[in-house]
Amino acid sequence: DTEVTQTPKHLVMGMTNKKSLKCEQHMGHRAMYWYKQKAKKPPELMFVYSYEKLSINESVPSRFSPECPNSSLLNLHLHALQPEDSALYLCASSQVRGGADTQYFGPGTRLTVL
Amino acid sequence: ILNVEQSPQSLHVQEGDSTNFTCSFPSSNFYALHWYRWETAKSPEALFVMTLNGDEKKKGRISATLNTKEGYSYLYIKGSQPEDSATYLCAPIGAGGTSYGKLTFGQGTILTVHP
Repeated sequence: DTEVTQTPKHLVMGMTNKKSLKCEQHMGHRAMYWYKQKAKKPPELMFVYSYEKLSINESVPSRFSPECPNSSLLNLHLHALQPEDSALYLCASSQVRGGADTQYFGPGTRLTVL
Repeated sequence: ILNVEQSPQSLHVQEGDSTNFTCSFPSSNFYALHWYRWETAKSPEALFVMTLNGDEKKKGRISATLNTKEGYSYLYIKGSQPEDSATYLCAPIGAGGTSYGKLTFGQGTILTVHP
C-alpha cells in the first residue's frame, strides 16, 4: 500500500484563525515532506522531516509551523495566514530522505484564506 | 536554485498518437531525475526515478530516457489513450548537502488526448 492520506480535503479559514493540516502514512517511511502548489505553478518544497527531525526549511514564514510527532504523522499548523497563502498543500513521504527514493504524494488539502 | 524547463507547455494529440516531451535541467551536481504524472483531483503519481546516464525506463506504454551529460530527459508515450491525459512533471535532485532529497519541479507538460 503506497497511500498517503491528508485531512481535511478542503479548508477555509480567516486570517485570525488557527488550523492544522494532517498527513499520515503507514509505509514505514522515515522522510516526510510538505509542498505548496499555487494555481498553474508546480509544487514547491516547504519542509522536509527526516527521522522525525526537521532537516529542510525552505525559508517558510513562521505562520506555518510543521510538526512530526511520530514517524507516521506530519502536521502543518497554520496561524495568521494571508490570502496569498491560499493554495493546495501536498504531503509526501519516502523511505528515507534520499535522491533516488520515490516520494509518494497525498491528494492534498485545498486551503482558502479569506 | 535549479532551473528546470519542460517543453512543450501543453500538447493536444489524438487517441493512438505517440508523443514525447522534454525535461531540461542543470547537468552539474546531478543525482537523480524523477518523473510524475498528475491527473486533476488526484495525487501526483510517481512514474520513474532515473540516475544513470543513458538510463532507459519503461512502464507499459510510457518510457523515459536520461542524458546526464547534457542535462535532459525525454518521456515517450506510445499509442496515447484518453486516460493518459494529465500533467507530466519532472524533478531533478542535486547531490548532497541541503539539496539532497529536495525535488525541484519543472512547470510540467499538460497532455490532452482526444478520443
